[in-house]
Amino acid sequence: LAKTTQPISMDSYEGQEVNITCSHNNIATNDYITWYQQFPSQGPRFIIQGYKTKVTNEVASLFIPADRKSSTLSLPRVSLSDTAVYYCLVGDRDSSYKLIFGSGTRLLVRP
Amino acid sequence: SAVISQKPSRDICQRGTSLTIQCQVDSQVTMMFWYRQQPGQSLTLIATANQGSEATYESGFVIDKFPISRPNLTFSTLTVSNMSPEDSSIYLCSGQGVGGYTFGSGTRLTVV
Repeated sequence: LAKTTQPISMDSYEGQEVNITCSHNNIATNDYITWYQQFPSQGPRFIIQGYKTKVTNEVASLFIPADRKSSTLSLPRVSLSDTAVYYCLVGDRDSSYKLIFGSGTRLLVRP
Repeated sequence: SAVISQKPSRDICQRGTSLTIQCQVDSQVTMMFWYRQQPGQSLTLIATANQGSEATYESGFVIDKFPISRPNLTFSTLTVSNMSPEDSSIYLCSGQGVGGYTFGSGTRLTVV
């Protein structure tokens, strides 16, 4: 399983766009990139998943360069409720793979 | 995606006793996973539970300490046996179904 590296923490202000970058140098051909969000006292929640280029949903965008060795989660116009830990995971979506969590990025959104 | 009900949500237990945590899924899931999360830390995978077979444990975790049952495709239990204060942690279950992975809300265990 490819190892991921993320910043330990980030600070932002309400209304700003937040970009969290994840490094995954050893990503395999069949691996997808998935981001999860975790609030205190809750289990992680799926945010977005992608394989290459750009994926957008109602919550976030995911940018993946051509070499796929990194990815960037973009949260537009964050609010206080986006304060959480964000995890980047890499694995083969087409098989029953184990979700292995890295250290995650603790995002603090200030008023 | 599936919804997982996990209980108990929290418990305080005496050392040397055992606690069984239950996860009920509202739909069938192929794989279920059990994690441990120390306060302020990331999730550590304990084991993978398949229906009808023994769970597969990660390095550092053994069946005698964390026995797991998976009697059907919607239910699993994790037992934390012979507890010590070092077992104080949050335990989470997860299921992999058609809609992806879903997590329970966790069990906060304190061993005194």
